[in-house]
Amino acid sequence: DIQMTQSPSSLSASVGDRVIITCRASQSISSHLNWYQQKPGKAPKLLIYAASSLQSGVPSRFSGSGSGTDFTLTISSLQPEDFATYYCQQSYSTPLFGQGTRLEIK
Amino acid sequence: QVQLQESGPGLVKPSQTLSLTCTVSGGSISSGYFYWSWIRQPAGKGLEWIGRIYTSGSTNYNPSLKSRVTISVDTSKNQFSLKLSSVTAADTAVYYCARVGDFFPYYFDYWGQGALVTVSS
Repeated sequence: DIQMTQSPSSLSASVGDRVIITCRASQSISSHLNWYQQKPGKAPKLLIYAASSLQSGVPSRFSGSGSGTDFTLTISSLQPEDFATYYCQQSYSTPLFGQGTRLEIK
Repeated sequence: QVQLQESGPGLVKPSQTLSLTCTVSGGSISSGYFYWSWIRQPAGKGLEWIGRIYTSGSTNYNPSLKSRVTISVDTSKNQFSLKLSSVTAADTAVYYCARVGDFFPYYFDYWGQGALVTVSS
């Protein structure tokens, strides 16, 4: 089974910071990797699909990169509304989410 | 704009069967090439995919839950449903229904707001 490891599990940052969250698969998943943002009490929201494609309506400060086993989600300049939990999800086989990265205000 | 809405009992007794329905609006559940999925999230924890159904009735389940899960679809009502049998406290979670395309890269683009189900006597 493919395992997904997200890091860090939590992160403190300030408005305006550049933030990078990583997701590693236990075997190659090509570009079958999607990223979601979840705010408390809300459903996850799709940010990035196919590793690097920005979902319609998502601000351009969000970007994704990677292929194979190593992937990153980058927020170029944190905004107040970006403090949330972020999940990666592999879609190469049985859908599996990473354990999440909680992004908190410093 | 597609919208999904979960409904069902919020409290289920241990050993009984959890039943939830997802109603799809803003489009036909039969149109396009989409799977309809269930995903759950225990309080303070991550997301777990439960399974999915195609409008043809074809299903796929998470191997860890397969023996207890049944997902069905009613195209006439634009709904799909989840049944999870022999529940325990470990099944207490927010249950989401979501749409996923039947094509690369298989992302979940529309989600319901979530339904909290508590397993307790």
